[in-house]
Amino acid sequence: DGGITQSPKYLFRKEGQNVTLSCEQNLNHDAMYWYRQDPGQGLRLIYYSQIVNDFQKGDIAEGYSVSREKKESFPLTVTSAQKNPTAFYLCASSVETGLGTDTQYFGPGTRLTVL
Amino acid sequence: ELKVEQNPLFLSMQEGKNYTIYCNYSTTSDRLYWYRQDPGKSLESLFVLLSNGAVKQEGRLMASLDTKARLSTLHITAAVHDLSATYFCAVPLSKSYNTNAGKSTFGDGTTLTVKP
Repeated sequence: DGGITQSPKYLFRKEGQNVTLSCEQNLNHDAMYWYRQDPGQGLRLIYYSQIVNDFQKGDIAEGYSVSREKKESFPLTVTSAQKNPTAFYLCASSVETGLGTDTQYFGPGTRLTVL
Repeated sequence: ELKVEQNPLFLSMQEGKNYTIYCNYSTTSDRLYWYRQDPGKSLESLFVLLSNGAVKQEGRLMASLDTKARLSTLHITAAVHDLSATYFCAVPLSKSYNTNAGKSTFGDGTTLTVKP
């Protein structure tokens, strides 16, 4: 089955630690994204990548880093510079069809808690 | 800066009733997306609205887009408990035909609770 997987589902971090969230897709999508969701709020874009070896900052990139060495993988590192990292992190990918429609798929999410 | 506002933010309704959720946005855009999120879960794409006057329907949900008014509506007909969820609208940041779906600004969501 095609889809997006994220791991781990739950992650606990001590202050001062860097942690890496995994995102893998087998949909053959070129574009991938990372979002952060805080309780009662919508999604905010952290980073996005439209092709391999290229990525762009979103609205809240400070304290985060990404890499895109393979088309199917887009890991997110939450660094110690991120002052309030406790949130729900969602990875997504999208495809643009020739008819002008576009479809976005989301992974199941990783819930990160700072201890 | 693109702003997306949804209202209401919380909606409690009786089964069988009709209601409309509104999504207003601040700058011109040629498309809009609606998503559903169940508690603790990820987002599921509901509708992609591509042009002014676009209307799409799936079951008891119908979405429309008025790009001139910068307004989209999500209408719920004869609500059932299974529709209880949080609904988000999202507006892309570019007017480009090839706008990438993910570069969007999301509203804060409307949490719908349908009671028997």
